[in-house]
Amino acid sequence: SYVLTQPPSVSMAPGQTATITCGGNKIGTKSVHWYQQKPGQAPVLVVYDDSDRPSGIPERFSGSNSGNTATLTIARVEAGDEADYYCQVWDRIPDHWVFGGGTTLTVL
Amino acid sequence: QVQLQESGPRLVKPSETLSLSCTVSGGSMTNNYWSWVRQSPGKGLEWIGYIYYTGRTNSNPSLKSRVTISLDTTKNQFSLKVRSVTAADTAMYYCAVVPAAHEGFDVWGQGTRVTVSS
Repeated sequence: SYVLTQPPSVSMAPGQTATITCGGNKIGTKSVHWYQQKPGQAPVLVVYDDSDRPSGIPERFSGSNSGNTATLTIARVEAGDEADYYCQVWDRIPDHWVFGGGTTLTVL
Repeated sequence: QVQLQESGPRLVKPSETLSLSCTVSGGSMTNNYWSWVRQSPGKGLEWIGYIYYTGRTNSNPSLKSRVTISLDTTKNQFSLKVRSVTAADTAMYYCAVVPAAHEGFDVWGQGTRVTVSS
């Protein structure tokens, strides 16, 4: 089955740019989605189809995907961005959705 | 905008069947994938399975033999059953919807915590 690998944690000072990676075999050929999950809350889609943002998501959130790595970038990190972030893809064969293990973003 | 709400027993005994429903409001149940996702305490997200509006289903191989997902459009609900539960099935269970397989889960329920314990 398809495996997505994320770093367990990332730490950034406010105002800096955070990058969270998601590794997978030829992930650049798939559509990658990113979710933000704050404690006690359901996940929220923040980037879909590699780099698109749902309405209401700040422009500070962006994504890219190429080769074996997809990346979520959060510019000008704020305290309110502190959360767990998950990447996700649809694996066409065998028609499954797969989540990465999640990355905890800590704002110092 | 579609809204989702999970419901069902919060406590299930080991070896019994976990049953949850997700009520859909604010939209049609056609042309969507209706999914279940769970999160064990302190762990990451785990996709359980989906049912397409046509009735086609698929589920995570790790759970496939124990999972049934069904759809009742007359009640605007879809449901999850997990048989022969153990403590490892203790988790927050979320329902979610995705318009097409390659798209993201754009609407989630608030989740319901299920504990497996005698």
